[in-house]
Amino acid sequence: DSGVTQTPKHLITATGQRVTLRCSPRSGDLSVYWYQQSLDQGLQFLIQYYNGEERAKGNILERFSAQQFPDLHSELNLSSLELGDSALYFCASSPSRLAVGNEQFFGPGTRLTVL
Amino acid sequence: AQSVTQLGSHVSVSEGALVLLRCNYSSSVPPYLFWYVQYPNQGLQLLLKYTTGATLVKGINGFEAEFKKSETSFHLTKPSAHMSDAAEYFCAVSVDYNQGGKLIFGQGTELSVKP
Repeated sequence: DSGVTQTPKHLITATGQRVTLRCSPRSGDLSVYWYQQSLDQGLQFLIQYYNGEERAKGNILERFSAQQFPDLHSELNLSSLELGDSALYFCASSPSRLAVGNEQFFGPGTRLTVL
Repeated sequence: AQSVTQLGSHVSVSEGALVLLRCNYSSSVPPYLFWYVQYPNQGLQLLLKYTTGATLVKGINGFEAEFKKSETSFHLTKPSAHMSDAAEYFCAVSVDYNQGGKLIFGQGTELSVKP
């Protein structure tokens, strides 16, 4: 158990819908990262928050957005869903703002299926 | 731009045999390198990491990796495979100090262990 929790574990929805994925980092970790794992794209970095502020952005679609709340939990919002958005979404946390060289602790993931 | 290439999407070994999973990276600055393991239906777990110092890095579960700058490689080895090693293995690099230390992953190598 990494100490990072993600809910829900599974999510099945239809095209065009909007969903929210939730992540609670390890106690004391200020950085939260979101990654998408799909068969065709592999594991890709989406976005990072540090202590409530966006720190870095990767290959995140405009239909996707995220935020980190004062209690440090984070939510990833996916809207106007398409079939291609079906993937496993991971959240990871780290104590450091930069985390370069530091371990990122991964949650168990949320499996999103868009029908 | 940094990138990671894992040679071989599937590797199969017999129980007790040597495990060798190959990883090459591309980076214009000294990289931080990681190996993560993903068991079925679970998140990623850190096996080992290279930051600075000794180029031979020992990790959990008997795995080790050697950083070879001249070959831009960070191959993962284990002298004797166990059935419980069957999983997917990801090599990752983190170098982007201005981008929050995001991880760039290789495509993954699925390790099968035959009895």
